[in-house]
Amino acid sequence: DIQMTQSPSSLSASVGDRVTITCQASQDINNYLNWYQHKPGKAPKLLIYDASNLATGVPSRFSGSGSGTDFTLTISSLQTEDIATYYCQQYPNFPITFGQGTRLDIK
Amino acid sequence: QVQLVQSGSEMKKPGASVKVSCKTSGYTFLSYGISWLRQAPGQGLEWVGWIGAYNGDSNSPQKFQGRVIMTIETSTNTAYMEMRNLRSDDTAVYYCARRVIVLPTALKVVDYFDYWGQGTLVTVSS
Repeated sequence: DIQMTQSPSSLSASVGDRVTITCQASQDINNYLNWYQHKPGKAPKLLIYDASNLATGVPSRFSGSGSGTDFTLTISSLQTEDIATYYCQQYPNFPITFGQGTRLDIK
Repeated sequence: QVQLVQSGSEMKKPGASVKVSCKTSGYTFLSYGISWLRQAPGQGLEWVGWIGAYNGDSNSPQKFQGRVIMTIETSTNTAYMEMRNLRSDDTAVYYCARRVIVLPTALKVVDYFDYWGQGTLVTVSS
């Protein structure tokens, strides 16, 4: 199975800060990476697909980059509604696997 | 609008089975697959498996093979996930999600979960 490792595991930042979360795959996955946002008690929400494509309705302050084994999710200016846990996910290698999550809160 | 509505919470004893439903609406059911995922308490997301609505083909990670059965009912646009021989570590919130698979070129695939159900808490305890 492909292992996905996110860093940091948790992060505190101030409103307006630029926030970066990284995700590393245990082997080359090309651009086959998605990012999800998960708030407590809610269903996860797709943010980025295919490493860098913004999903429909997602604010432009979110962006994704990377290829191969190293990927980044960036929030250009943190807002209070961005408090959540963020997960990367690789495909289409079987089985689909997720990173362990990065918990983001407000400082 | 696209909606996936799951059945309610379940409490089961170890060794029992549970069947969770996911009723979909707002899109052409046969054009997409349905994936099942879960989140155990304090843990991250885990993929449980996938079923294609068009032909009923399914797969799941080896750890779930033989214990998870995924089915679809095209007459009601509903997907089901049955898990057998439940253990305490199966306690989790289970989600269904619409799986989008697109092949923009012959050498590239785009694959993601774009709409999710609200989640179903399954508690396994003696």
